[in-house]
Amino acid sequence: DAGVIQSPRHEVTEMGQEVTLRCKPISGHDYLFWYRQTMMRGLELLIYFNNNVPIDDSGMPEDRFSAKMPNASFSTLKIQPSEPRDSAVYFCASSFYLGTVNTEAFFGQGTRLTVV
Amino acid sequence: GENVEQHPSTLSVQEGDSAVIKCTYSDSASNYFPWYKQELGKRPQLIIDIRSNVGEKKDQRIAVTLNKTAKHFSLHITETQPEDSAVYFCAASKGTGGYQKVTFGTGTKLQVIP
Repeated sequence: DAGVIQSPRHEVTEMGQEVTLRCKPISGHDYLFWYRQTMMRGLELLIYFNNNVPIDDSGMPEDRFSAKMPNASFSTLKIQPSEPRDSAVYFCASSFYLGTVNTEAFFGQGTRLTVV
Repeated sequence: GENVEQHPSTLSVQEGDSAVIKCTYSDSASNYFPWYKQELGKRPQLIIDIRSNVGEKKDQRIAVTLNKTAKHFSLHITETQPEDSAVYFCAASKGTGGYQKVTFGTGTKLQVIP
C-alpha cells in the first residue's frame, strides 16, 4: 500500500476562493482524520470519520469548513470562502480500530495551503 | 475532553547525551499513548506507543514510561544523534467503548548539536 495519499501537496489561492483538499486513506482502515497544523496552534483535529460517517466535527473552525467521505477510499475537506488565516498544513490520517484498543494513525504527506 | 500538556517546547542537547520529553494528561480513562516524530517538512510518524497495562516500553534508543496514578508519561532518547533532531508529539486517547479521538500535545522541538 502506498500509504495515505493527499492532493495537492501545495495550494496557493486568493482570499475568497474555494479550496478542496483530497485524501485517500490506507485500504482497510475504517477511521479517517483531518488535522490542521500551524505554528501557533500545533496539530488540531478538525473532524474524523468512522466507516465513512462523520463522528466528531467539533474541531471544525467554522461553517466555511466542510468535509465529506463519499466512500471508504476518498475524503475531501473544503474551505469556502478561504481566508488568509486558513493558511496552514492540512494532514489527513487513517487508522483501524482493534476491538477495544486504538492503533496508530498513519499520516499523509500533507497539503500546504497558502491563502493570499 | 482530554487535555495533553507537553514540556519542554524546545530542547537542545549535545550529541550522545540523553533527551527527555514529558507529557501530562487529564482524562484518567485514557489508555493509549503514542509518540510521533515529525521531521522538518514531513509528516508525523509513530515512533513508539504504550498502553495503560504496561509501565515502560523500550525500542533500541527510545523508551517511554507511563505513570497512570500521576497521569504523566515521558519519552526518553539515549545516545542522541543529529538525525534525532525533529519535533516530537505526545498524544493520549481512550480505546474502550468506541474510538475516541487522539489528543496531541503541542510538540517539542529537539535539536541535537553535533
